[in-house]
Amino acid sequence: ILNVEQSPQSLHVQEGDSTNFTCSFPSSNFYALHWYRWETAKSPEALFVMTLNGDEKKKGRISATLNTKEGYSYLYIKGSQPEDSATYLCAFKDNYGQNFVFGPGTRLSVLP
Amino acid sequence: GAVVSQHPSWVICKSGTSVKIECRSLDFQATTMFWYRQFPKQSLMLMATSNEGSKATYEQGVEKDKFLINHASLTLSTLTVTSAHPEDSSFYICSARDRDMTGGLYNSPLHFGNGTRLTVT
Repeated sequence: ILNVEQSPQSLHVQEGDSTNFTCSFPSSNFYALHWYRWETAKSPEALFVMTLNGDEKKKGRISATLNTKEGYSYLYIKGSQPEDSATYLCAFKDNYGQNFVFGPGTRLSVLP
Repeated sequence: GAVVSQHPSWVICKSGTSVKIECRSLDFQATTMFWYRQFPKQSLMLMATSNEGSKATYEQGVEKDKFLINHASLTLSTLTVTSAHPEDSSFYICSARDRDMTGGLYNSPLHFGNGTRLTVT
């Protein structure tokens, strides 16, 4: 059974603060890692698809890095805004099968 | 683009009845759809993989006779919870992969429905 962990479980920051959180996954047989943002009452929305060790992706104020050798990915949000409040999920896939394993998510609340 | 419509958003049913949840890709074709269940404060847990025109592949521990999956077309998959019991109360959500996305099958993101909150009384 593949184990994907995310930390912290939840996070409260003030508007304007920068923040980051972690996704940990098995360091062997890596294939791909996805990040999703899941706002309440909406569907999870894809942020990043990461496939190569050392990948860095950016989308506006949000960026992510990937270290497949040590099995972690960081998601950074610069200058958090209330609309960034959501649960951020990572999903890991190894070289076998077609399924992604999801982490439990990090719930971010940005206070105005 | 890449919208997945899931219905109903919530449903309350009596123990022993069956409930059908639909997941429809509106603007793309999905040869594969995934069904997940999520209990409070836990991860999305894959229940089964639904392939168009063939039988679904169930994860270990998921009863295929209880959770019937049908993927009759490239845009529609259904999950039927048969003879529902209170312990089946949960959040169910589907995702789909766009058949025509470039970049490799697993290098394209999943597109999710909004989920269905099932409460069995």
